[in-house]
Amino acid sequence: QVQLKESGPGLVQPSQTLSLTCTVSGFSLMDYSVHWVRQPPGKGLEWMGRMKYDGDTYYNSALKSRLSISRDTSKSQVFLKMNSLQTEDTAIYYCTRSYYGYTYWGQGVMVTVSS
Amino acid sequence: DVVLTQTPVAQPVTLGDQASISCRSSQSLVHSNGNTYLEWYLQKPGQSPQLLIYKVSNRFSGVPDRFIGSGSGSDFTLKISRVEPEDLGVYYCFQATHENTFGAGTKLELK
Repeated sequence: QVQLKESGPGLVQPSQTLSLTCTVSGFSLMDYSVHWVRQPPGKGLEWMGRMKYDGDTYYNSALKSRLSISRDTSKSQVFLKMNSLQTEDTAIYYCTRSYYGYTYWGQGVMVTVSS
Repeated sequence: DVVLTQTPVAQPVTLGDQASISCRSSQSLVHSNGNTYLEWYLQKPGQSPQLLIYKVSNRFSGVPDRFIGSGSGSDFTLKISRVEPEDLGVYYCFQATHENTFGAGTKLELK
């Protein structure tokens, strides 16, 4: 069955770089796009960017200068890297599969930016 | 950037009532290919969001027919007839016609 699972450090220091991995199963990254969405505690959802099935990437213009998304299709993994983290980047980070909507989501990983 | 404005911010309901949520876009959401990529999601407490509606009015697999999406251009509505306990949570509209954006959310809660 289709599954996505986010992994990464729970705590990142301010000004450092966040690295997250989304490991998928039940489908190929060459057939479906994977997006990243985040949610600060108690707040709404923010679309961050996507890895398209053909390897193309697209980013939220507000995050573009700090954000990079890549993948390893042989390992069924999509990676998110975001630099210059600040406290306002504290959030749950989700990866989700896209096909006529975000049909499958990971459980999310909580990332706290704090010294 | 496209801004999606959801109203109301909170919708108190009695179980069995109908609820209605509005989502207005700062730009038309009609894509150059003729499709309108407006979706609705429900996030229950402590859970990941779940897809309810895609392309304005298409229910995702397994979504009950009491969820009805409608609208066109820049004005959209999600109606929930006969609200049930499992419908409570925060509803988000989302557009993928332009750079993807979510609305701020509408909390469906008990009166």
